[in-house]
Amino acid sequence: GNSVTQMEGPVTLSEEAFLTINCTYTATGYPSLFWYVQYPGEGLQLLLKATKADDKGSNKGFEATYRKETTSFHLEKGSVQVSDSAVYFCALFLKTSYDKVIFGPGTSLSVIP
Amino acid sequence: DTEVTQTPKHLVMGMTNKKSLKCEQHMGHRAMYWYKQKAKKPPELMFVYSYEKLSINESVPSRFSPECPNSSLLNLHLHALQPEDSALYLCASSQDRGFAWAFFGQGTRLTVV
Repeated sequence: GNSVTQMEGPVTLSEEAFLTINCTYTATGYPSLFWYVQYPGEGLQLLLKATKADDKGSNKGFEATYRKETTSFHLEKGSVQVSDSAVYFCALFLKTSYDKVIFGPGTSLSVIP
Repeated sequence: DTEVTQTPKHLVMGMTNKKSLKCEQHMGHRAMYWYKQKAKKPPELMFVYSYEKLSINESVPSRFSPECPNSSLLNLHLHALQPEDSALYLCASSQDRGFAWAFFGQGTRLTVV
């Protein structure tokens, strides 16, 4: 079946550290891939997306590249800030599943000064 | 206006109460969604409305009753809920069915006592 696996954390980093959150997927088809972020007490925000192999999504200093050969979409940021503390969800969408976005379990990130 | 507005932000209700959650968007989106999110878990899809018609019901108990009065509004009517229904209820909208890059509201934090 279709699924998303990501490191669950919690991940704790010092300010200005490099961030990687791993995400791999299994899909019977050619999915679009997304990262959503959920700040404490808030709803989800789309952070970035990629719709085909080798696409790089980027936003607010975060980047992720759609790697078909390794079925991965790892999230990276060169220098995290305290304000990046949140839960990050990797997700995939397949047209065959139509409206159903499949979320990973989420990775909690805490950035300390 | 790229917002999805949900009211109320917090709701405490007894198991015999009837209450409603409201969601509004003015982006011209034709698909609207209700998700349920338990603590430290990814969102779970409940309902999808497409062009004001219910298109997906993910086997949600009948004590949850959705309604889409027009293309901008989505309601979730609650009746005879159980304590395990306590969760964050998220509304989302997207341009059309099949678009995963939805905009999410801030959510309603529901507590059933």
